[in-house]
Amino acid sequence: GAGVSQSPSNKVTEKGKDVELRCDPISGHTALYWYRQRLGQGLEFLIYFQGNSAPDKSGLPSDRFSAERTGESVSTLTIQRTQQEDSAVYLCASSPFNYGYTFGSGTRLTVV
Amino acid sequence: AQTVTQSQPEMSVQEAETVTLSCTYDTSENNYYLFWYKQPPSRQMILVIRQEAYKQQNATENRFSVNFQKAAKSFSLKISDSQLGDTAMYFCAFSQGGSEKLVFGKGTKLTVNP
Repeated sequence: GAGVSQSPSNKVTEKGKDVELRCDPISGHTALYWYRQRLGQGLEFLIYFQGNSAPDKSGLPSDRFSAERTGESVSTLTIQRTQQEDSAVYLCASSPFNYGYTFGSGTRLTVV
Repeated sequence: AQTVTQSQPEMSVQEAETVTLSCTYDTSENNYYLFWYKQPPSRQMILVIRQEAYKQQNATENRFSVNFQKAAKSFSLKISDSQLGDTAMYFCAFSQGGSEKLVFGKGTKLTVNP
């Protein structure tokens, strides 16, 4: 597609449930990133995929968070046993190397 | 670790006037990239302007320009002829050369008043 697509756009889940967030990057973009944006805050880096290299997972806040990417295609961010502090907008971005990102519109996650 | 500081949580400007948003950063690297992103209420992050640290010339994109002071580690954004559509959160961001991870500031909420 023309842009980065994220689904769902909004997700409400009960505390303790697992959630999966999906990101479809721009075709041909080798790099893919996940960020978290809490209400009124800047973006926190979560994880970065670059081609077939091992992902940079240094931003994942706990072992409840994981992400996968198939080749240079779709990525899923999984949050297990969700907590209320996980409520945030989760933004995905893709990039051709060293040029700057194109962001998706994000998934707003609300844990109740 | 690199840090990015935006010292103005909120700013406002009258339509057609000029406004400058401040950003400072801290790094020990010599090669890096700096960005300004705009986030309107739709929450889509939009790249406004990009600057490579090795370039001395300040980047310009239409009404948007930067004042890049490498020695002072300052990267301010000037918006000329402000328009109502410029109302948004503006984030300054840093990326180390060769690594794509972006470090963001906390943002400045800009309101353009008619």
